[in-house]
Amino acid sequence: QVQLVQSGAEVKKPGASVKVSCKASGYTFTSYGINWVRQAPGQGLEWMGWISPYNGNTNYAQTVQGRVTMTTDTSTSTAYMELRSLRSDDTAVYYCARWFRDVVTANYYYYMDVWGQGTTVTVSS
Amino acid sequence: DIQMTQSPSSLSASVGDRVTFTCRASQSISSYLNWYQQKVGRAPKLLIYAASSLQSGVPSRFSGSGSGTDFTLTISSLQPEDFATYYCQQSYSTPYTFGQGTKLEIK
Repeated sequence: QVQLVQSGAEVKKPGASVKVSCKASGYTFTSYGINWVRQAPGQGLEWMGWISPYNGNTNYAQTVQGRVTMTTDTSTSTAYMELRSLRSDDTAVYYCARWFRDVVTANYYYYMDVWGQGTTVTVSS
Repeated sequence: DIQMTQSPSSLSASVGDRVTFTCRASQSISSYLNWYQQKVGRAPKLLIYAASSLQSGVPSRFSGSGSGTDFTLTISSLQPEDFATYYCQQSYSTPYTFGQGTKLEIK
């Protein structure tokens, strides 16, 4: 079955970096984009960015632009999200999600149809 | 950036009730609107895409409508497993913003 399995929880100090992995299985990895979404404790969902495993194209949210790098390894069907210069407000659960493209009434629509289980990143001194 | 505003922020209802959530976009997004359900400690789950298309495997008591700037998610008859937080998300343009969520609680 289609699934995304993320790496385990991380605890980091302010100023450090974290790299979260998201391993895909059950589908052709290069056929769909991967989004990264985070959720701070007790808060809503925040879209961080998107990467195309097909060509490596990325699009990052302004809130993390300059501190985030999203990459993929097509040989292992794994996506990565690295966040640098960590701050306490980066404490959150980080999710990867497949960006599925569908055709509805002759138009293309995109949605996150499969999600990873989430990776808790705690930033604390 | 397109702002997504959901109302209400929270809602109390009983099993069997019909409930409606509202999501408003700060500009027209045509039908590029998705709805997700999230239970505590779990990843979000896709319910509705393209404003009104039901994701495979999602019960038919869930339905979505709207286009342009105003959208609704309706649950026709609440079941115990439906108590969760619901988010809308626009897929019209980056950043693909989410609404702040509506928490559905048991009355």
